[in-house]
Amino acid sequence: AQSVTQLDSHVSVSEGTPVLLRCNYSSSYSPSLFWYVQHPNKGLQLLLKYTSAATLVKGINGFEAEFKKSETSFHLTKPSAHMSDAAEYFCVVSTDNYGQNFVFGPGTRLSVLP
Amino acid sequence: DTGVSQDPRHKITKRGQNVTFRCDPISEHNRLYWYRQTLGQGPEFLTYFQNEAQLEKSRLLSDRFSAERPKGSFSTLEIQRTEQGDSAMYLCASSPILGAGSPLHFGNGTRLTVT
Repeated sequence: AQSVTQLDSHVSVSEGTPVLLRCNYSSSYSPSLFWYVQHPNKGLQLLLKYTSAATLVKGINGFEAEFKKSETSFHLTKPSAHMSDAAEYFCVVSTDNYGQNFVFGPGTRLSVLP
Repeated sequence: DTGVSQDPRHKITKRGQNVTFRCDPISEHNRLYWYRQTLGQGPEFLTYFQNEAQLEKSRLLSDRFSAERPKGSFSTLEIQRTEQGDSAMYLCASSPILGAGSPLHFGNGTRLTVT
């Protein structure tokens, strides 16, 4: 069985400061891990993915995530927040890419203050 | 790549009415998924197609819900005798069959409000 925990339901940062969104997962097998972003009334957009290659993954819009197997974590970071980053972020774990095996975390809402 | 398209974007219906949503996936994608998302929650899996075959259905999908993908291209999700608890965003996603790490590509969703 797989599960995803996003440790913060809401994170608030000031524009220009670093962003850290935390994700921990549980999986019986080697997982693929994804971060998606959702702006209001929009679908989900893929930010980045980890699939057993490099543990530090770079995504779009300056976001990065590091896979740490020993900590079962896949935290999302960005050095400097922009107002347009304000959105809902979802961490997703998958072991075999079909059916119910994409498991979404509950989401973290990121607010960016001017 | 024109992306995943969903229609309509918004639907308001009265309790007890039937509604149907349509999803057009990315053309070369064999896999198509339906998810439901309620306010403040992550998407919940409803059902999944590989080509025209519906391979998996969640226990969330009551008998009032039915999905089809008749020619392995577009898909429809029908909800019969809608209830207020059906109010949610219905998301469609598609992906190719590529092995581990193929991400889901989402449409913008259909927001259903049942009054």
